[in-house]
Amino acid sequence: DTGVSQDPRHKITKRGQNVTFRCDPISEHNRLYWYRQTLGQGPEFLTYFQNEAQLEKSRLLSDRFSAERPKGSFSTLEIQRTEQGDSAMYLCASSRPGAPQETQYFGPGTRLLVL
Amino acid sequence: SQQGEEDPQALSIQEGENATMNCSYKTSINNLQWYRQNSGRGLVHLILIRSNEREKHSGRLRVTLDTSKKSSSLLITASRAADTASYFCATVPGGALTFGSGTRLQVQP
Repeated sequence: DTGVSQDPRHKITKRGQNVTFRCDPISEHNRLYWYRQTLGQGPEFLTYFQNEAQLEKSRLLSDRFSAERPKGSFSTLEIQRTEQGDSAMYLCASSRPGAPQETQYFGPGTRLLVL
Repeated sequence: SQQGEEDPQALSIQEGENATMNCSYKTSINNLQWYRQNSGRGLVHLILIRSNEREKHSGRLRVTLDTSKKSSSLLITASRAADTASYFCATVPGGALTFGSGTRLQVQP
């Protein structure tokens, strides 16, 4: 257990539905990252926050995806009008202040299946 | 796109043997990190090596870095069945980690 928690751990939804995932980082970490991982592949970066500011978004993050970190603590990732191609593991990670390229601590992930 | 590429994609060894995994990357780096992932779980940081370091040890792990060849290797000595997992190298060309596709290690008891 790294101290990063994600909820839910599993989500099954029907195509076209909206889903929202939550990530609670380690409390003193000011950077929070979202990644997506498909079977047999490494994680791919989606977006990251420093405190409440969203500093970078990947081209993978289509208009149907939105992430927030309203108070610089927990973060949510919402996918609107889900598609079967959205099925993946969504990973959250956090890192401590002053070390943007240092170790990231990952949560257990939310596995999404879109039927 | 994947920055790093691990080799081999899959490795099966007997308990007690050493396991070596290689990683190649494309852009210049400040550091390279190795992570481990058990099936269906999150990633766990194993070791970080900076661009000015050539070798680093942590317990049964040994990492080397050759910036001229843009490559790194991870050696796990005296492997155990519990080492069975996927291993990823990761670099930071931008603001976040960029991972390779991983090496799936199977250690047979």
